Amino acid sequence: EPEVTQTPSHQVTQMGQEVILRCVPISNHLYFYWYRQILGQKVEFLVSFYNNEISEKSEIFDDQFSVERPDGSNFTLKIRSTKLEDSAMYFCASTRRPTNEKLFFGSGTQLSVL
Amino acid sequence: DAKTTQPTSMDCAEGRAANLPCNHSTISGNEYVYWYRQIHSQGPQYIIHGLKNNETNEMASLIITEDRKSSTLILPHATLRDTAVYYCIVRAYNNAGNMLTFGGGTRLMVKP
Repeated sequence: EPEVTQTPSHQVTQMGQEVILRCVPISNHLYFYWYRQILGQKVEFLVSFYNNEISEKSEIFDDQFSVERPDGSNFTLKIRSTKLEDSAMYFCASTRRPTNEKLFFGSGTQLSVL
Repeated sequence: DAKTTQPTSMDCAEGRAANLPCNHSTISGNEYVYWYRQIHSQGPQYIIHGLKNNETNEMASLIITEDRKSSTLILPHATLRDTAVYYCIVRAYNNAGNMLTFGGGTRLMVKP
């Protein structure tokens, strides 16, 4: 089965630094998502992206966050100035269509902000 | 999206059927029931979804009551690798994207 690939698997950064988390969605998928999960808590939706635009975003996705599809294969999440509370597992996901289809999730990037 | 209620945890013996219930009494007519699972800290994995008919695939069966207010996910022969958190999610058709709202889920422990 095709896979969503995320790199790196672990990222450690200092508070205030910028980080970029990278994802390669499944090749024929058109809709892309970022979710996060703080240790011991629920999986939370951050943002959805289609046709080079944000489709939906949650309250968590504030001005510190941005997403980009810089080329035909990568999908990135940037956090401009990381805070301690940004420490979490970040999951990328993709689908061909937005409705009634399963989301394919990547294995995640564990971000630790020190 | 309708709210769902699931037991916090369940145990199941290896080789036996695991029946995971979900209540969604406020479900609307256009809302689907989705099941995902998360093994340890991996990314969530899609299992199955349905609207009102029972569904079966290679992973599981989904039984939805006639009034659609509850459903049961059935893993017919649970293995140790099925130990995971199982999420029942109710979601309507939405062209904006496939945003899922995860609850706490049911932590299924399959025991030898």
